[in-house]
Amino acid sequence: SAVISQKPSRDICQRGTSLTIQCQVDSQVTMMFWYRQQPGQSLTLIATANQGSEATYESGFVIDKFPISRPNLTFSTLTVSNMSPEDSSIYLCSVAHRGEAFFGQGTRLTVV
Amino acid sequence: KQEVTQIPAALSVPEGENLVLNCSFTDSAIYNLQWFRQDPGKGLTSLLLIQSSQREQTSGRLNASLDKSSGRSTLYIAASQPGDSATYLCAVRRNTGNQFYFGTGTSLTVIP
Repeated sequence: SAVISQKPSRDICQRGTSLTIQCQVDSQVTMMFWYRQQPGQSLTLIATANQGSEATYESGFVIDKFPISRPNLTFSTLTVSNMSPEDSSIYLCSVAHRGEAFFGQGTRLTVV
Repeated sequence: KQEVTQIPAALSVPEGENLVLNCSFTDSAIYNLQWFRQDPGKGLTSLLLIQSSQREQTSGRLNASLDKSSGRSTLYIAASQPGDSATYLCAVRRNTGNQFYFGTGTSLTVIP
C-alpha cells in the first residue's frame, strides 16, 4: 500500500487569494493525481503530475488556475489561484500503487 | 468515455441488515474496479480492489463482485453497523491510461 500525507486538512480563504496544498507519499511513484470533489458530487480529475515534466491537465482545468509542482518522486503541490467561492471543494491527491488507487485525507477548502 | 453510475444514491437501513450497493459502468475494457469509503469531508479509504480477471473479493463483512461483460459490480455488506455509515464510491480503471473514473456514490446510513 501507499500512505499519503496531505495538508492542510482544511482552510477558509478570502476570495482573490491562493492556497497551496501539499502531498507527501511514503514511497516513490511515477504519477500523482489531483482531484476535485465539489459539494455533493463525485471526484473529477484535475491533472496528472509527473516528475520532471509538465503536469497534464484535464479538459476544463488550466495551469494558470491550478499550477502543480512535482519536484521529486514522493512530493507534489497543487495551488488554487485567485480563488472564488466556486472553488470551495474538497481537493484530493492520489497515487496508483500496483494498480490500486490510494488517497490523501483531502483538503476541505471554503472560499468566502 | 467511461461513465460510472451508482444506485441507489442514498440508503438508510436498520442496524444488522445485510445490504447491496450497485455500480455500473459503460465500457467493459477495464483494468480493475475499486470500492472506496468516504467519511464526510474526508479522503477516500480503499475497501476492495477487483482485477478484471477476478469475479469477487472479500474482506471481513464486505464482499465485492464483478461482472465485466455486463458492466456491473456489487458491494455486499453483511450485518451492517452504525460505523458503516459513510458514502461508498466505486471507481474503474481502464485498460489504457492511468485515470480512474468514479461513480457518484451511495450515501449509507445505518440506524442503531
